[in-house]
Amino acid sequence: GIQVEQSPPDLILQEGANSTLRCNFSDSVNNLQWFHQNPWGQLINLFYIPSGTKQNGRLSATTVATERYSLLYISSSQTTDSGVYFCAVSDAGGTSYGKLTFGQGTILTVHP
Amino acid sequence: KAGVTQTPRYLIKTRGQQVTLSCSPISGHRSVSWYQQTPGQGLQFLFEYFSETQRNKGNFPGRFSGRQFSNSRSEMNVSTLELGDSALYLCASSLGGLAGYTQYFGPGTRLLVL
Repeated sequence: GIQVEQSPPDLILQEGANSTLRCNFSDSVNNLQWFHQNPWGQLINLFYIPSGTKQNGRLSATTVATERYSLLYISSSQTTDSGVYFCAVSDAGGTSYGKLTFGQGTILTVHP
Repeated sequence: KAGVTQTPRYLIKTRGQQVTLSCSPISGHRSVSWYQQTPGQGLQFLFEYFSETQRNKGNFPGRFSGRQFSNSRSEMNVSTLELGDSALYLCASSLGGLAGYTQYFGPGTRLLVL
């Protein structure tokens, strides 16, 4: 099956700093989503981005499908950005639309 | 529009028992997927239902089963619980297929097996 690797596994920042999270995937995808998991376990949908670039406030994401990677940018980080960020994909074959394969996540800690 | 809801939110069971978890998708969504999250294995796909049919299945034993009703609500059942089944169970809904792939997650059910 498709493999998803996220880096770095851990990231510690001071408030106001910028960061880049990376997601590499091993095959063509028809779905790529970035999520933020809050301390209560809820997965918050950040972006649906199988290709191209999107921005939402201080967050932006870019997926280069031909090179099989995606980047999540967080600018001017705040303590509320702390948590685990997941990249998840579904492969482009057959009817895998509803089956997401998750990376292991990046644990982000933002200190005041 | 209301989000994905899951019940119950917390559950404590003993080994050998069975459990049923419920998921109500966003109105209009026809696809419901289930995931298990544990510290050791991370987030793993269990199965997906679309229009009452199981469309995809992950690598879990037959003790894990599910179903979807005509109103798109879904249930998953775990029989003969084992200690290793302790996990956060997450459900997600989407429009499904070409209509939209974006998955929206519920708050999860925390299951503890003693």
